[in-house]
Amino acid sequence: GAGVSQSPSNKVTEKGKDVELRCDPISGHTALYWYRQSLGQGLEFLIYFQGNSAPDKSGLPSDRFSAERTGGSVSTLTIQRTQQEDSAVYLCASSAGTNLGYTFGSGTRLTVV
Amino acid sequence: AQSVTQLDSQVPVFEEAPVELRCNYSSSVSVYLFWYVQYPNQGLQLLLKYLSGSTLVKSINGFEAEFNKSQTSFHLRKPSVHISDTAEYFCAVSRANRDDKIIFGKGTRLHILP
Repeated sequence: GAGVSQSPSNKVTEKGKDVELRCDPISGHTALYWYRQSLGQGLEFLIYFQGNSAPDKSGLPSDRFSAERTGGSVSTLTIQRTQQEDSAVYLCASSAGTNLGYTFGSGTRLTVV
Repeated sequence: AQSVTQLDSQVPVFEEAPVELRCNYSSSVSVYLFWYVQYPNQGLQLLLKYLSGSTLVKSINGFEAEFNKSQTSFHLRKPSVHISDTAEYFCAVSRANRDDKIIFGKGTRLHILP
């Protein structure tokens, strides 16, 4: 596609429920990234996929968070047993190379009530 | 590991006045440096980047940033701001010469006063 597509754009869930957030990167981009944006906290790195290499999971805040990337394209970020502190905007980005910069999606705003 | 510090969370400035948004980074290896901008209710966009070569890099809308290795800084400047520059600006760093994650600062919100 022309850009990075994320769905849903908004998600309200009850505390304790699981949620799945989807990212469809730009075709041909080998790298895919997930970030979390909270008010006053900037962008917090979560996880990075590069081609067929093992993902860099160093930013995942707890074992409730996981992500996969199928077929080197679409990625799903899963948050299990959601907590109120998980409320944030989750951003996905893809890239053809770090030196080229990232293209970000519009994000999924997650609200845990 | 790399890290970025943006010293100012908010910067108010009068329209047509100059502005500087400060950014300092920490890294034990060579880096790429970026400024991203997020306009109200919009997604993040790349504003400018330093990869190598000339230490002064410019954007198409009049912003510029200078890589200063000795001071580990990459401050963003514009000689005359406009209302349309109202946005949040994020400084970011990654390891140079390889594909890697970009680490972002906490952002600086630029308020343009009429």
